[in-house]
Amino acid sequence: QKEVEQNSGPLSVPEGAIASLNCTYSDRGSQSFFWYRQYSGKSPELIMFIYSNGDKEDGRFTAQLNKASQYVSLLIRDSQPSDSATYLCAVWGGTASKLTFGTGTRLQVTL
Amino acid sequence: DAGVIQSPRHEVTEMGQEVTLRCKPISGHNSLFWYRQTMMRGLELLIYFNNNVPIDDSGMPEDRFSAKMPNASFSTLKIQPSEPRDSAVYFCASSSGLAGIYEQYFGPGTRLTVT
Repeated sequence: QKEVEQNSGPLSVPEGAIASLNCTYSDRGSQSFFWYRQYSGKSPELIMFIYSNGDKEDGRFTAQLNKASQYVSLLIRDSQPSDSATYLCAVWGGTASKLTFGTGTRLQVTL
Repeated sequence: DAGVIQSPRHEVTEMGQEVTLRCKPISGHNSLFWYRQTMMRGLELLIYFNNNVPIDDSGMPEDRFSAKMPNASFSTLKIQPSEPRDSAVYFCASSSGLAGIYEQYFGPGTRLTVT
């Protein structure tokens, strides 16, 4: 089992819709959870982080964490074509004191 | 702030040659990370330093890879000898704290092609 799992996609959503990106992790001791966005040919950039169970909102982005289910998600409201990118879930803590990345979900926002 | 600086941006070399990748972290950041990204394996942590000291090098694939951080503003990742399977994008990132607490800022990456 991979430490951090994401569906590779592509996830295709129409402009203006809500995009839902999901991530599961295997280490129950994980403490910090991050979402990075990576445009094609560019480097990853952080868009959200969450430490506690529940929801965290920042503009059009909402991160959701459920530690009991070992599940973290990212919702993007009012999706725009500029949101088309690969979204990387990253997890820290537990047995590994380093940031572990999933392989990413490619999001396509269509006009 | 100039951000994390990496050089070269692109490197094409022949199998068996030595390759040196360079990184200048953001001033004031005390943690530095080297990652490798491929389509098959995604983004993998190779090694990270805190206050110039290597903390975790368990991701370094084999003895052909070595990394140094002689001072707070410079790090190198060396591959000797290089092999075609080393072809990937290598990212350097820096942070103002340990990996899990603070945001990591990534450099633009070095695209390495080994023929």
